[in-house]
Amino acid sequence: GESVGLHLPTLSVQEGDNSIINCAYSNSASDYFIWYKQESGKGPQFIIDIRSNMDKRQGQRVTVLLNKTVKHLSLQIAATQPGDSAVYFCAENIGAGGTSYGKLTFGQGTILTVHP
Amino acid sequence: GAGVSQSPSNKVTEKGKDVELRCDPISGHTALYWYRQSLGQGLEFLIYFQGNSAPDKSGLPSDRFSAERTGGSVSTLTIQRTQQEDSAVYLCASRFYAGTQGGNTEAFFGQGTRLTVV
Repeated sequence: GESVGLHLPTLSVQEGDNSIINCAYSNSASDYFIWYKQESGKGPQFIIDIRSNMDKRQGQRVTVLLNKTVKHLSLQIAATQPGDSAVYFCAENIGAGGTSYGKLTFGQGTILTVHP
Repeated sequence: GAGVSQSPSNKVTEKGKDVELRCDPISGHTALYWYRQSLGQGLEFLIYFQGNSAPDKSGLPSDRFSAERTGGSVSTLTIQRTQQEDSAVYLCASRFYAGTQGGNTEAFFGQGTRLTVV
């Protein structure tokens, strides 16, 4: 099976601060990346995605940066709020060819805690 | 409903019994994925189905695990002779392929089935 982390890294921030969550991905052939947020007892929820032909994409209060040279992905959350507290996962899509989906595998996750 | 639906939401079973977990994907989504998530850990890939192609079973941890997808829609994950280490949340996700122009899209997840083997 795929590797998973035994202990998730944690990030604690104060409300209103900016948060940066990092992720190292494994496959240089990965062509699409997604960030997910998972709250306790729920399935992961989509936050933002980015294709491999881009290096930055912005959403509402969130920005994803992709550095293919070092296989690194980051999620920036502006003006972090208590409701942002959750576990954040990056996912990489290992393409099956241009006409199909791919295998979607997940990084180990980071626990974000926002203090009021 | 419009989302991915999984059943049951909770399942307690005795060691050695077989269990079946069900996933109803979003209508029109032709890719379906199964993951396992142990407490406090990440998502472990198990298997994925893509349209009519042979599934990618590379993540199944042992031959006690199998999955089917009937009619390109509903999927069932079966665990035979369950062991205590099988206790986890089993998550299902589905995806829509937007074609060669639209490319890949995000996967939508169900709420998961929490399996406890006692």
